[in-house]
Amino acid sequence: DTEVTQTPKHLVMGMTNKKSLKCEQHMGHRAMYWYKQKAKKPPELMFVYSYEKLSINESVPSRFSPECPNSSLLNLHLHALQPEDSALYLCASSHGPPRGDLYEKLFFGSGTQLSVL
Amino acid sequence: GENVEQHPSTLSVQEGDSAVIKCTYSDSASNYFPWYKQELGKGPQLIIDIRSNVGEKKDQRIAVTLNKTAKHFSLHITETQPEDSAVYFCAASMGDSSYKLIFGSGTRLLVRP
Repeated sequence: DTEVTQTPKHLVMGMTNKKSLKCEQHMGHRAMYWYKQKAKKPPELMFVYSYEKLSINESVPSRFSPECPNSSLLNLHLHALQPEDSALYLCASSHGPPRGDLYEKLFFGSGTQLSVL
Repeated sequence: GENVEQHPSTLSVQEGDSAVIKCTYSDSASNYFPWYKQELGKGPQLIIDIRSNVGEKKDQRIAVTLNKTAKHFSLHITETQPEDSAVYFCAASMGDSSYKLIFGSGTRLLVRP
């Protein structure tokens, strides 16, 4: 199994709603990531979990709240989002954190297309 | 700050021709350079990568070359097929062994049948 699975594939929410994005991998990877991708732009890193602990928060607004319940699952909780938060949200995983000069391959899921009305 | 420039932004080739996409990076400590293919409605898919101790790597119709001195790397696709049509992103690792990849701005490749 070499897949990163994300649900839902599409999500429409109002600015007062609370919703969650889910990500799952069964490759035994110990690092998991959330990226945000606007149309016609490259992915932008949001959060990194390594061994189920938050390692990186790229100064993401608190209306985005990540959670890593176990080594296979990653959630992104959304609350009071703005229309400009509409984007493709990508989950990714890698075998582990970078080890010295050895950067680990990064595998992406298909993403959740989020629209905030 | 660290930057990866990618050219061209769009590329149209006839089926069977070769396609070349070029990237230049700024961080001399970068040591890992992946290439991703993203089809419409899908996430980026790793298609090939190269590390700084290697100058060239091939996988069937795809090859990547790296020139560390000039700080640039290129993706070469031979015998292009319509299913190669997609957006391609290059990336370079941050030199501080962090988790971050710096992505190029992307190249939209169209292979005309």
